[in-house]
Amino acid sequence: AQKITQTQPGMFVQEKEAVTLDCTYDTSDQSYGLFWYKQPSSGEMIFLIYQGSYDEQNATEGRYSLNFQKARKSANLVISASQLGDSAMYFCAMIIYSGAGSYQLTFGKGTKLSVIP
Amino acid sequence: ETGVTQTPRHLVMGMTNKKSLKCEQHLGHNAMYWYKQSAKKPLELMFVYSLEERVENNSVPSRFSPECPNSSHLFLHLHTLQPEDSALYLCASSQGSSDTQYFGPGTRLTVL
Repeated sequence: AQKITQTQPGMFVQEKEAVTLDCTYDTSDQSYGLFWYKQPSSGEMIFLIYQGSYDEQNATEGRYSLNFQKARKSANLVISASQLGDSAMYFCAMIIYSGAGSYQLTFGKGTKLSVIP
Repeated sequence: ETGVTQTPRHLVMGMTNKKSLKCEQHLGHNAMYWYKQSAKKPLELMFVYSLEERVENNSVPSRFSPECPNSSHLFLHLHTLQPEDSALYLCASSQGSSDTQYFGPGTRLTVL
């Protein structure tokens, strides 16, 4: 069975500093994808970044980068130059492609990030 | 209007009521999803529709009934819910069942 583990229930970071949110995953599949989503207090889920298991380069999207270490099965999210608007819940998720249009998407429990002015 | 929209944003209902949640996507996607997010629990996938056909149902109680009349609209019909069904219900869509999912703002449901 697939599993996503986010070990940090809550984190604090000073404004303008960088922060790393941890995510480890467990799967026996060789082909999978990893996502990070942001959920502000308003409730909507906002897609941040995606990393495919065969991608050789770490994904980056603006201030977001994904530190993908395949051997360690980790996909940590790095947010550079934190802003007050970054305060939110952050979810790590993994998708497994099972073929024939079938898939499984698994979410972690989330990390609540609070940015301090 | 763009993206994924959900109505209503907030809903309070009694255990004997019947209500429906609506989701609409304006992204031209062909797959749509219902998720349940309860406090302190991981996001739970409830239903998946691909090309308007239900392809996944994760052991959801029959008091939740989805409907997908076309690729842009998805409904979740609710009847005789329980207080433990109170949660944030999120709709998402994607282009193909394996691509990035884009979420709506959610419906905050409270069952009294």
